[in-house]
Amino acid sequence: AQKITQTQPGMFVQEKEAVTLDCTYDTSDQSYGLFWYKQPSSGEMIFLIYQGSYDEQNATEGRYSLNFQKARKSANLVISASQLGDSAMYFCAMRGDDGGSQGNLIFGKGTKLSVKP
Amino acid sequence: NAGVMQNPRHLVRRRGQEARLRCSPMKGHSHVYWYRQLPEEGLKFMVYLQKENIIDESGMPKERFSAEFPKEGPSILRIQQVVRGDSAAYFCASSPQGYEQYFGPGTRLTVT
Repeated sequence: AQKITQTQPGMFVQEKEAVTLDCTYDTSDQSYGLFWYKQPSSGEMIFLIYQGSYDEQNATEGRYSLNFQKARKSANLVISASQLGDSAMYFCAMRGDDGGSQGNLIFGKGTKLSVKP
Repeated sequence: NAGVMQNPRHLVRRRGQEARLRCSPMKGHSHVYWYRQLPEEGLKFMVYLQKENIIDESGMPKERFSAEFPKEGPSILRIQQVVRGDSAAYFCASSPQGYEQYFGPGTRLTVT
């Protein structure tokens, strides 16, 4: 069975510093995708970044980068130069791409990030 | 290109009533996924539909819940005889091909 584990219920970071949010996953699929979403207090789900299991380079999107370590089955999100607006819940998610998968996402329980001024 | 639309954004129902949640996918998207988020939890998959077909309903409770995605009009998630435990945020996501998913703003259901 596929599973996503986020072990940090809450994190604090000083404004302008970098922060790493942890995510480990478990799957028997050879091909899969990993996602990070941000959920601010307003409640919407905002897509941040995607990493495919066969991508050789770590994904980056602006201040977001994904530290993908396939052998360790980890997909940590790094946010550089934190801003007050980064305060939100962050969810790691996975989609299995092998035959039989219907493409639905499996989510972790999330990490609440608070950025201090 | 408008994003995924969900309505209503907030819905209050008394125990025993029916709740109907609507999701209009992005233009050109024929795949719809429904997820439920309980308080302090991540999203959990409920059902995956393509136009006029239910592809995977493995995450749907066996009773009281149903979903459809007709040829014309939005996808509907229907909850009959709601109970307090149904209080949650319900998100739909649409996809052009079943891979990348774009989420709507969610419907927050409160059962009193």
